Amino acid sequence: EVQLVETGGAVIQSGGSLRLSCAASGFTFKPYTMHWVRQAPGKGLEWVSLIRGNGGGIVYADSVRGRFTISRDNSKNSLYLQMNSLRTEDTALYYCVKEHISGWPTFDHWGQGTLVTVSS
Amino acid sequence: SSELTQDPAVSVALGQTVRITCQGDSLRSYSVSWYQQKPGQAPVLVMYGKDNRPSGIPDRFSGSSSGNTASLIITGAQAGDEADYYCNSRDSSGNLVVFGGGTKVTVL
Repeated sequence: EVQLVETGGAVIQSGGSLRLSCAASGFTFKPYTMHWVRQAPGKGLEWVSLIRGNGGGIVYADSVRGRFTISRDNSKNSLYLQMNSLRTEDTALYYCVKEHISGWPTFDHWGQGTLVTVSS
Repeated sequence: SSELTQDPAVSVALGQTVRITCQGDSLRSYSVSWYQQKPGQAPVLVMYGKDNRPSGIPDRFSGSSSGNTASLIITGAQAGDEADYYCNSRDSSGNLVVFGGGTKVTVL
């Protein structure tokens, strides 16, 4: 069974930094492109970033480019999101998402999310 | 604002058919995926490509696409289908992922 477990969410002040982690299990992690998707409270889904299986091909949404850094450690079956210069509008539930074998942007497994709250 | 447009809300009588639409110029070039999200839960993939259902998704869910509009169709809606539904695809440049704003489906 595929499992994606996010950790690292917290309440943090505007301008601060936070690192999210996602532990993947139940599938062969290395070949798959992985994504971060977020959802502000009561709002819709917003794609954040993707990283290819080999750690390359990184892409960011305009709203986070230059502030967030996605990375992965295939030896640990883990995905990360380093978030710097946080803003109140970054407040959201952050999901770790696995891409479907057919390619992006089809997402076939989602974690339960980790909550990031940025206070002013 | 999203490059994919969805109606904010639709309602359907129990057992009837509802069509949820997703519009965007990028849909002329790229395929769409659909997700169901119930309150307090993570999204679940219910349809991808032209009309592909992941295993475990009931066959009352189907998909179609024409021009700049994609549709998710629920035939014989059940109370358990009440949820928010999101479409996603690539943006016009093909380089980024975009989501529609979501459609809240109410089963009456």
